[in-house]
Amino acid sequence: GAGVSQTPSNKVTEKGKYVELRCDPISGHTALYWYRQSLGQGPEFLIYFQGTGAADDSGLPNDRFFAVRPEGSVSTLKIQRTERGDSAVYLCASSLTGGVNTEAFFGQGTRLTVV
Amino acid sequence: SQQGEEDPQALSIQEGENATMNCSYKTSINNLQWYRQNSGRGLVHLILIRSNEREKHSGRLRVTLDTSKKSSSLLITASRAADTASYFCATGTASKLTFGTGTRLQVTL
Repeated sequence: GAGVSQTPSNKVTEKGKYVELRCDPISGHTALYWYRQSLGQGPEFLIYFQGTGAADDSGLPNDRFFAVRPEGSVSTLKIQRTERGDSAVYLCASSLTGGVNTEAFFGQGTRLTVV
Repeated sequence: SQQGEEDPQALSIQEGENATMNCSYKTSINNLQWYRQNSGRGLVHLILIRSNEREKHSGRLRVTLDTSKKSSSLLITASRAADTASYFCATGTASKLTFGTGTRLQVTL
């Protein structure tokens, strides 16, 4: 597609439920990133994929969070046993090759609300 | 964790005026990037300045970088109402961007 696509755009879930957030990167981009943004804050890094593998998952807050990218394109961020503190906008970005000086293209995000 | 802090947190100017936002960061960097965000959703890349560069221009944008002070500034000249947004600086490594807390810019007619 023309840009990074994230679905759903909004998700409301009950505390304790499982959610999946999907990211479709720009075609041909090998690098994919997930960020989380709380109200009034800047985005915080969660995980970076290079191809199919998670090259850096140091930003995942705990083992309730997991992400996959099985074919090196679409990625899914999975959150188990959701908590109210997980409420945030989850942003996905992709870049052509990754690396230090490449531009990242962001999707519009998924706003997750845990009630 | 946030790498940098933008200053001011909020800025309100009239159309036609210039807007200056500052960013300070903590660690050594390879590059510094500025992004814009409308309505708290997707971010748009504005400009990247490498650690060996001191100044860069793109249209109405001018970015400076002072690595000795670990600071950068973004100047938007001749602002327009459409420039109303949040602006973030971000420092880049091989695997991720680390964002500051942002400046909310309001441009009024």
